[in-house]
Amino acid sequence: EAGVVQSPRYKIIEKKQPVAFWCNPISGHNTLYWYLQNLGQGPELLIRYENEEAVDDSQLPKDRFSAERLKGVDSTLKIQPAELGDSAVYLCASSLTGGSTEQYFGPGTRLTVT
Amino acid sequence: AQKVTQAQTEISVVEKEDVTLDCVYETRDTTYYLFWYKQPPSGELVFLIRRNSFDEQNEISGRYSWNFQKSTSSFNFTITASQVVDSAVYLCALREASGTYKYIFGTGTRLKVLA
Repeated sequence: EAGVVQSPRYKIIEKKQPVAFWCNPISGHNTLYWYLQNLGQGPELLIRYENEEAVDDSQLPKDRFSAERLKGVDSTLKIQPAELGDSAVYLCASSLTGGSTEQYFGPGTRLTVT
Repeated sequence: AQKVTQAQTEISVVEKEDVTLDCVYETRDTTYYLFWYKQPPSGELVFLIRRNSFDEQNEISGRYSWNFQKSTSSFNFTITASQVVDSAVYLCALREASGTYKYIFGTGTRLKVLA
């Protein structure tokens, strides 16, 4: 069974540029999560989807960040415009349902903003 | 509020030494889950163990063992006879059994095992 797929693995952009990250969860998993992991910190939840509905986006900085999961499968996280402080690892995870105790994480996208 | 504290930022040991990684948590929930993940340099989180709040039995898996103590709100992780391949960041996490189902992660402990 394929795991959570993320692309790109690495991205370097200049500040004020837009950037997008893509995530394909494990097949059949209804719940998808985007996490932000700053250097030396643990991951922090940005947004959680149940199918195509964002059920928890309270930690998503909505002035510059947006996300979508249009068909309830894969998802895109966008930053526009990027700032230096956005340099971090963006992790995607999925679980069978929101109540599932286990989340499966992708390899992450390491973003560097110069 | 929920919180996970991993006070050890970085630990260095020599190969074959035993090492214990500490995790202390705070929660008002009576039902919750605790996790340990390994994060190698490649970045992905590798699941190691899940414990629910009703199961205080210690667990051993090969060279890994976990000590869960509700009385001290701790869920410590011991690696016996450490190996260079154990070098990674280890993250402890707490998840409530209801509500947002959000994982609360600690800041991680970077383990360096020297040959």
